[in-house]
Amino acid sequence: KNQVEQSPQSLIILEGKNCTLQCNYTVSPFSNLRWYKQDTGRGPVSLTIMTFSENTKSNGRYTATLDADTKQSSLHITASQLSDSASYICVVSGDYGQNFVFGPGTRLSVLP
Amino acid sequence: NAGVMQNPRHLVRRRGQEARLRCSPMKGHSHVYWYRQLPEEGLKFMVYLQKENIIDESGMPKERFSAEFPKEGPSILRIQQVVRGDSAAYFCASSPQDRSDGYTFGSGTRLTVV
Repeated sequence: KNQVEQSPQSLIILEGKNCTLQCNYTVSPFSNLRWYKQDTGRGPVSLTIMTFSENTKSNGRYTATLDADTKQSSLHITASQLSDSASYICVVSGDYGQNFVFGPGTRLSVLP
Repeated sequence: NAGVMQNPRHLVRRRGQEARLRCSPMKGHSHVYWYRQLPEEGLKFMVYLQKENIIDESGMPKERFSAEFPKEGPSILRIQQVVRGDSAAYFCASSPQDRSDGYTFGSGTRLTVV
């Protein structure tokens, strides 16, 4: 069964600290993996998209890694800001780009 | 480019009424997807449409829910005889090709059934 799991479920950090969010998936065949940021009451916004051949991709203070062998991805946030408080969703696409499978998200709270 | 536009942002309906949610895709996008997000849960795929065609409705409940994407105008997600369990945020996304780069979400419609 195609599944995407994320950990931790929620995370609280202090402003300025770094954090890493995890995503494990069982989607096969694999096409790409996306990380989204969803602010409360808003739609998800794409942070990164990685294909099978990409190990890492950065977008400002966000760096995503992908290990297609172990089917794991991480999202690292550097020097967190209050505006990073949001849900971070891992989405894996299989079947040549079709059939997005959404993870449950990690709820990040950045405190001053 | 105004992005994916959804309206209304908030919709309140009494049990048994109909709810109509609208989604205008980004300019140049002909693929539309609808998702439902229950409180404290992840997004769940409902339906994927192209102009005048339903491509994949595997996530749609068998009764009361329907979707369309006419040749002209926005995509509509219609929920008949709403029940309290339909209360959720409904998100629309669009893309220029099937789930390609450029896949963009709207801000959602929050449906509350009282």
